[in-house]
Amino acid sequence: TQLLEQSPQFLSIQEGENLTVYCNSSSVFSSLQWYRQEPGEGPVLLVTVVTGGEVKKLKRLTFQFGDARKDSSLHITAAQPGDTGLYLCAGAHPIDYKLSFGAGTTVTVRA
Amino acid sequence: DTEVTQTPKHLVMGMTNKKSLKCEQHMGHRAMYWYKQKAKKPPELMFVYSYEKLSINESVPSRFSPECPNSSLLNLHLHALQPEDSALYLCASSQGTNTDTQYFGPGTRLTVL
Repeated sequence: TQLLEQSPQFLSIQEGENLTVYCNSSSVFSSLQWYRQEPGEGPVLLVTVVTGGEVKKLKRLTFQFGDARKDSSLHITAAQPGDTGLYLCAGAHPIDYKLSFGAGTTVTVRA
Repeated sequence: DTEVTQTPKHLVMGMTNKKSLKCEQHMGHRAMYWYKQKAKKPPELMFVYSYEKLSINESVPSRFSPECPNSSLLNLHLHALQPEDSALYLCASSQGTNTDTQYFGPGTRLTVL
């Protein structure tokens, strides 16, 4: 099993501040996905990054995939209360494409 | 359209009951998955179906029985569950098992009394 270490576990910030969540592994992934999950709901896909060094932007969210495809980060600029939720990274194994999930980061944005 | 639907939304069952969870997608995806998620934990893979055939069973107890009637539908039959089986059960789908992006349904919140 390829482990994904996600940090921090909890993040509480004021509206308007920036935040970054990290996922790191010693293993290579064929791709990495970021999801956001509300309590009692399923994870909603935010982005898939595939190419080493890739950077994707979705409005205030910026996703980066490491050059070696072992790590990724999610940066949120000017966070809003609507950004509150559980953020999960998930790496796809190159051989069987099963997803390894990080432990999740609970983000709380205070108004 | 990247929608995966699941029914029911909530389910409460006794340990002697038999019930089924249902999942449906109309994206033409050929791989479908069942996950179990406990509170404040990431999803754990249970089963993978590829082209309507079971390809992965993550050593799941036999009281959970998956079924894939066709390429759009995935069921999970439940029988003689234990209280520790209470969890959020998530269905997901992807274009194929060798394509990476999985799309999740909203989940079924299962409570076993």
